[in-house]
Amino acid sequence: GENVEQHPSTLSVQEGDSAVIKCTYSDSASNYFPWYKQELGKRPQLIIDIRSNVGEKKDQRIAVTLNKTAKHFSLHITETQPEDSAVYFCAASKPSGGSYIPTFGRGTSLIVHP
Amino acid sequence: DSGVTQTPKHLITATGQRVTLRCSPRSGDLSVYWYQQSLDQGLQFLIQYYNGEERAKGNILERFSAQQFPDLHSELNLSSLELGDSALYFCASSVGPAGGPDEQYFGPGTRLTVT
Repeated sequence: GENVEQHPSTLSVQEGDSAVIKCTYSDSASNYFPWYKQELGKRPQLIIDIRSNVGEKKDQRIAVTLNKTAKHFSLHITETQPEDSAVYFCAASKPSGGSYIPTFGRGTSLIVHP
Repeated sequence: DSGVTQTPKHLITATGQRVTLRCSPRSGDLSVYWYQQSLDQGLQFLIQYYNGEERAKGNILERFSAQQFPDLHSELNLSSLELGDSALYFCASSVGPAGGPDEQYFGPGTRLTVT
């Protein structure tokens, strides 16, 4: 089955700095890569996603890049703010019977110091 | 608020017992997914239902079962509970298979503690 590795497990930055979280996946059939943000005690929320026919996608301060050949994808957050502090999960999904079921990384705890 | 509701919020029970977790999807969503989040295993997919039928199965134990009812709400049944079943159980919903991936909206979760 799919295996997703996520690094680092903890990332501490100063407000205004950039943060980068990296994930690798093992199954070349995976073609959809969502990123979720989970604040303490809250539910995971989709913040950005990318499909395998695209190399990069941006949404304001957040961007995701995908390298299909190397099977890795990354989340980039620029101009970090204290409210960006949360656990971020990457996931890799492939079609299975018409559904896309994610395999998640173990998460990165991002701490933004004011 | 995602529009997905889960009850109860918290559940404390003893080993060997059986519990039922309930999920109501967003209005219009036909797919319901169940996930388990624990410190040991991270966030893991358990099972998916679409319009009342099982659609995909993940790392769901035989002691666990689920169903989706005609009104589209879903229940996850956990039996013969063990200490290791203590976790946060999330339900998510989406419109459903539409030829491509669609966004899943997570509920607030049910925290299960087995003592």
